[in-house]
Amino acid sequence: SAVISQKPSRDICQRGTSLTIQCQVDSQVTMMFWYRQQPGQSLTLIATANQGSEATYESGFVIDKFPISRPNLTFSTLTVSNMSPEDSSIYLCSVEVLRGYGYTFGSGTRLTVV
Amino acid sequence: GQNIDQPTEMTATEGAIVQINCTYQTSGFNGLFWYQQHAGEAPTFLSYNVLDGLEEKGRFSSFLSRSKGYSYLLLKELQMKDSASYLCAVRTRGSQGNLIFGKGTKLSVKP
Repeated sequence: SAVISQKPSRDICQRGTSLTIQCQVDSQVTMMFWYRQQPGQSLTLIATANQGSEATYESGFVIDKFPISRPNLTFSTLTVSNMSPEDSSIYLCSVEVLRGYGYTFGSGTRLTVV
Repeated sequence: GQNIDQPTEMTATEGAIVQINCTYQTSGFNGLFWYQQHAGEAPTFLSYNVLDGLEEKGRFSSFLSRSKGYSYLLLKELQMKDSASYLCAVRTRGSQGNLIFGKGTKLSVKP
């Protein structure tokens, strides 16, 4: 199974600013997935990041708000732009390395916007 | 549309057996996953079913019926540390597609 290093683990940010979250995987993966988990809720997919192409966004999420970079097969970033209190959430990255062994998640970034 | 249903909360007693059900209606199906999530932590993988039947892994078993759009997670010999949320997730497309998650079932194990 893959090991994902995600940072920062938590942050408190001012309204209107941006935060970039990083995920580093210890092996090469084709796809990386970015999820949001709002308080008391389950996980919602934001976008799928492929190396060498633009990310694919789910309904309700746009590139201007959540720009994603995927410069190589082991690294990705998600930026939460122009933040508002509604963006307060946990953000997680995820990969699948071996078929049938499930998807591994990063430890998550707990974001609070004040 | 995509819909994955599971009970919101369940309570069980230490040492007992509990079954958490999940039903799904999705536009495609390429595997069903169960995850455990303790409060404040990331989800951890428990099981994966892509064919009908039962998969057993120690105290945890998962069952799938594709024709019924139904799965359950069975936890035996419950321990206090099993108190957590259990998430049912479906991969709808491709061999490396993303997961769609249910809202999760919060399990409380009582002494």
